[in-house]
Amino acid sequence: GAVVSQHPSWVICKSGTSVKIECRSLDFQATTMFWYRQFPKQSLMLMATSNEGSKATYEQGVEKDKFLINHASLTLSTLTVTSAHPEDSSFYICSASSTSGKNIQYFGAGTRLSVL
Amino acid sequence: RKEVEQDPGPFNVPEGATVAFNCTYSNSASQSFFWYRQDCRKEPKLLMSVYSSGNEDGRFTAQLNRASQYISLLIRDSKLSDSATYLCVVNEAWGGYNKLIFGAGTRLAVHP
Repeated sequence: GAVVSQHPSWVICKSGTSVKIECRSLDFQATTMFWYRQFPKQSLMLMATSNEGSKATYEQGVEKDKFLINHASLTLSTLTVTSAHPEDSSFYICSASSTSGKNIQYFGAGTRLSVL
Repeated sequence: RKEVEQDPGPFNVPEGATVAFNCTYSNSASQSFFWYRQDCRKEPKLLMSVYSSGNEDGRFTAQLNRASQYISLLIRDSKLSDSATYLCVVNEAWGGYNKLIFGAGTRLAVHP
């Protein structure tokens, strides 16, 4: 199956700092990438959908100025959590959809963010 | 009402048991359906797509009832390695993009 690499897998940071998470599709071109957040014992919640070369589309209630998304190429999207606070601590997962049109998303391994 | 609803479980079953999970979705325009598996602190992994005619993959059988907006997953001859959270996932076409809506998951624990 298609491989999506997400980095870092775990990050601990101080409140007020910014954290960047990378998502790469390794063996396919991903026209669309998705960013999710998952709190303990809850479902994945879509934060934003990002298409290569255009601005991300954010879900209702997700602050675009806090969660900056860049999708500069067909294989890389980044999520930057700006001025992170303890309530931003969560499991962030990216996924990528290929151009095959089968509506299947391939997930990265996730990034566990802990803000102290 | 949640867009995708699942019984959270947990389902505690012995090895070899047959277990069934159910899921309902609220958007009748949903186009495609999946079951994903998620292990603790890991990313979701696609288990199988769900087709209207029903489909089987080894010990796993998925069914879809569009009229009732209901999806099921049957696991036969449960193995210890089947212990995980099973996520019912619905794909919706939205503004030209496809969007996955996840259920909260059903936990399965298979014991010896």
